[in-house]
Amino acid sequence: DTEVTQTPKHLVMGMTNKKSLKCEQHMGHRAMYWYKQKAKKPPELMFVYSYEKLSINESVPSRFSPECPNSSLLNLHLHALQPEDSALYLCASSQLQGPGGDTQYFGPGTRLTVL
Amino acid sequence: TQLLEQSPQFLSIQEGENLTVYCNSSSVFSSLQWYRQEPGEGPVLLVTVVTGGEVKKLKRLTFQFGDARKDSSLHITAAQTGDTGLYLCAGEIARTGRRALTFGSGTRLQVQP
Repeated sequence: DTEVTQTPKHLVMGMTNKKSLKCEQHMGHRAMYWYKQKAKKPPELMFVYSYEKLSINESVPSRFSPECPNSSLLNLHLHALQPEDSALYLCASSQLQGPGGDTQYFGPGTRLTVL
Repeated sequence: TQLLEQSPQFLSIQEGENLTVYCNSSSVFSSLQWYRQEPGEGPVLLVTVVTGGEVKKLKRLTFQFGDARKDSSLHITAAQTGDTGLYLCAGEIARTGRRALTFGSGTRLQVQP
């Protein structure tokens, strides 16, 4: 099973709202990732968690706040977003293998619209 | 500067034709993945290549990893309308200790019936 699940599938929020995106995997993977993807562009990395600790933050604005409650769950808390934050938000996970490389498995994404 | 150059950016072909998509870099990769993505969905993994010179086949799709692990190609034989989608190459740059993927810009493939 190589499934990563994400909820909700779609989210519409106002600029003053607070909402959260959720991601779950049960493959025993030790790394989890958040990406943002705008239309007709490749995914852009936002955050990486390795062994439940934040290891990479790609200078993401503080209105995006990640959280990794345990090794299977990853959340992205959203607050005071801007319309330009509207995008497909993708979660991924990987085994964290040795230096020979790692394979990331992606969830179906959450389509976020900020009004 | 795009670390992974993917070409062509867009390809429209007839059903039954063959095509090749290229992914090139000046960096060496520990591994490289190819994904296919439908609109509004997450990328779906097609293959991971790890060894220089490696060739992997997945039905009508053939993937190659360059000997120096700096480039890769995806060849589709006898394309079908179901092959339509966005093809993304992505790799982990070697010896940086950075566990993150670098993505190519993507190739949008349209197969006409």
